[in-house]
Amino acid sequence: DTGVSQDPRHKITKRGQNVTFRCDPISEHNRLYWYRQTLGQGPEFLTYFQNEAQLEKSRLLSDRFSAERPKGSFSTLEIQRTEQGDSAMYLCASSWSGGMEPQHFGDGTRLSIL
Amino acid sequence: AQKITQTQPGMFVQEKEAVTLDCTYDTSDQSYGLFWYKQPSSGEMIFLIYQGSYDEQNATEGRYSLNFQKARKSANLVISASQLGDSAMYFCAMREVWAETGNQFYFGTGTSLTVIP
Repeated sequence: DTGVSQDPRHKITKRGQNVTFRCDPISEHNRLYWYRQTLGQGPEFLTYFQNEAQLEKSRLLSDRFSAERPKGSFSTLEIQRTEQGDSAMYLCASSWSGGMEPQHFGDGTRLSIL
Repeated sequence: AQKITQTQPGMFVQEKEAVTLDCTYDTSDQSYGLFWYKQPSSGEMIFLIYQGSYDEQNATEGRYSLNFQKARKSANLVISASQLGDSAMYFCAMREVWAETGNQFYFGTGTSLTVIP
């Protein structure tokens, strides 16, 4: 169990640029979640995969955000035409699908928009 | 309405004392789970403890226990014998099993705990 891995840890970019983050879940986990966390707030759900299928997306998720999990293993989260308000910590979590399994989180990717 | 409410933005506790962090939740589901996570300044979210809605006993994990009062919809975290390393943000979270968004975890705004030597 090597834990959930996220890359990069930090990303600084100019407004209007596209960015992509990667998440490698715990290998046995088939569920994968993306969250956004801003300063002083708890994680906010963005989207969820079971295996390669994206089963839920937050209604708050802009069309500029897209996520994939092509082979049911790692996942990518892309933000197109970044805006100042996208500055946040982006967290990935994974879990088993059975029962009420807790989510295991990665260290997050901190995005700063200049 | 907020699914999870944490009303204590910041708490202080003396080392070796016990502290209770409050959490109330809002759901009409009969089946749900409640979770507590710790987030140190380094940023990673660490799972601490879980309580199922049908569990009759309060959950315990080492120095952590969950004071579950179903009728009051509260799930307070009790940390006994506080240590300096307990200083962190603490988040309460809930997952509803049968809701349309049953795979979402809802998080509160967190409580910042500072342990004083």
